[in-house]
Amino acid sequence: ELKVEQNPLFLSMQEGKNYTIYCNYSTTSDRLYWYRQDPGKSLESLFVLLSNGAVKQEGRLMASLDTKARLSTLHITAAVHDLSATYFCAGRPNSGYALNFGKGTSLLVTP
Amino acid sequence: EAQVTQNPRYLITVTGKKLTVTCSQNMNHEYMSWYRQDPGLGLRQIYYSMNVEVTDKGDVPEGYKVSRKEKRNFPLILESPSPNQTSLYFCASSSTGVIAKNIQYFGAGTRLSVL
Repeated sequence: ELKVEQNPLFLSMQEGKNYTIYCNYSTTSDRLYWYRQDPGKSLESLFVLLSNGAVKQEGRLMASLDTKARLSTLHITAAVHDLSATYFCAGRPNSGYALNFGKGTSLLVTP
Repeated sequence: EAQVTQNPRYLITVTGKKLTVTCSQNMNHEYMSWYRQDPGLGLRQIYYSMNVEVTDKGDVPEGYKVSRKEKRNFPLILESPSPNQTSLYFCASSSTGVIAKNIQYFGAGTRLSVL
C-alpha cells in the first residue's frame, strides 16, 4: 500500500513570502496529484505529475516530482490571501487506480 | 457540463436506519470511488469500482456497501449506520485512459450525521 505523508500539516504565512509543502510517499509511484480544497467545498485538481523530474506551474504555485526520492513539492511564490486553502497530495501506486491521500496542509496567508 | 453529482448534500439520520447516498457522473468514466474525510485524517477510500459490476474494497470498507449496475451511477449504502460513520463523504470518478491522466473529479460532498 502506498502511504503519503505531507508536511507541514499547518502553515501560516505572510503575504509576499515563499514556502514549500513537502509530500513523501512510501512505494514506487509514477503518478502524483495535487488538489486544493476550500473550506466547505470539494476538491479541485491542481497538478498531475507523471514522471520523474516533472514540473508544473500555475500562477504562484509550482509542483515538482522526484520519483527516486519519492518526493513531491508544492512551492508557493509571493503568497496572496486567495491561496488560503487546504492542499492535498495523493499518490497512485503503479498497479491500480486507487488514490492514497496525505492528511493535507492547511495554509493560511495573512496580511 | 462535466460533473459528479452527489445526493443528498446533507443528511441527519439515526443509528440503524438504512440510507443510500447516490453518485452520478456524466463523463463516461470507468473508475468511480467513495472517500470519507475526517478532520486530521485526510481522505480515506471506502470502495472503488473499475467498471460496471466490478467493485473492490478501499482502506475503510467496514459498514458500507456499494453497487455498480450502470456505468454512470455508484451509490454508497449504509445498511445500519452508526455514529462513527458521521463524516463528510466524497464521490469521485476518472477515466482510466492514459491520455486522461486518471485525474479524479470530485462531487460536492455529502455531510452525514448519525445520531
